Amino acid sequence: ETGVTQTPRHLVMGMTNKKSLKCEQHLGHNAMYWYKQSAKKPLELMFVYSLEERVENNSVPSRFSPECPNSSHLFLHLHTLQPEDSALYLCASSKEGGGDTQYFGPGTRLTVL
Amino acid sequence: GQNIDQPTEMTATEGAIVQINCTYQTSGFNGLFWYQQHAGEAPTFLSYNVLDGLEEKGRFSSFLSRSKGYSYLLLKELQMKDSASYLCAVRFVYGQNFVFGPGTRLSVLP
Repeated sequence: ETGVTQTPRHLVMGMTNKKSLKCEQHLGHNAMYWYKQSAKKPLELMFVYSLEERVENNSVPSRFSPECPNSSHLFLHLHTLQPEDSALYLCASSKEGGGDTQYFGPGTRLTVL
Repeated sequence: GQNIDQPTEMTATEGAIVQINCTYQTSGFNGLFWYQQHAGEAPTFLSYNVLDGLEEKGRFSSFLSRSKGYSYLLLKELQMKDSASYLCAVRFVYGQNFVFGPGTRLSVLP
C-alpha cells in the first residue's frame, strides 16, 4: 500500500500527442511536487503546489503544464514533447511546503518517440 | 545553484559496513535528508539531520557536520536488499524545497 499513487506507470507518446500524468496522495498532505529523473542526473524539481497554489516553477518549458484541482490531486499535462523529455516523472507530497519530508509516488516512465 | 556531491558508485560485501558521503555548500543550510531508491521504484525516506551529530535508526545511521558541509549515511550488517541508490537532499532556508545530489548506487555482493 502506498500513500502516493501515480498513473499511468508507463507511457509512450509521439511528439505531437497530448497526454496527462496523474498523481493522488492519501496522506492528508498540503503540498505536492513534480520531479523529473533522467538517467545519471539528479532529481530535478519541476513544480511545487502548496494549498493548491503554485509556489515554484523551476524554469520548466511550457510544453509541461501542471494542474492542482485540490490538495489530493496533481496533474502534469504534456504537449508536443521532445525525445529528451523521456524520463521518470515522480510525484511527491509533504505535510507542509517549504522543505518538509517528502513522500514519493512510484513514478511514470515516459518515453517520447 | 547549490552543489551537492556524492560518490557515483560503491560496492560492498554482505554483512559488512559501508559509509556513503555527501558534501554540500553550507550557505543557507536548513536540513539534510537521505532517501533510498531501488531500481524502478520511488525514493523512500530514510533519515533527517538538522543538528550536528549522529542519528541512529536500526541498521542505518546518518551523521551531520554543519561547519564542514558534510554528512554520511552508515549502513551496518549489509544485506542484499540494501543494493539501491542512496540520495542525499539538502534543504536551504531560501527557496521552497530540496536540492538533490546525484545519488550513490550501492551494490551489495554475496
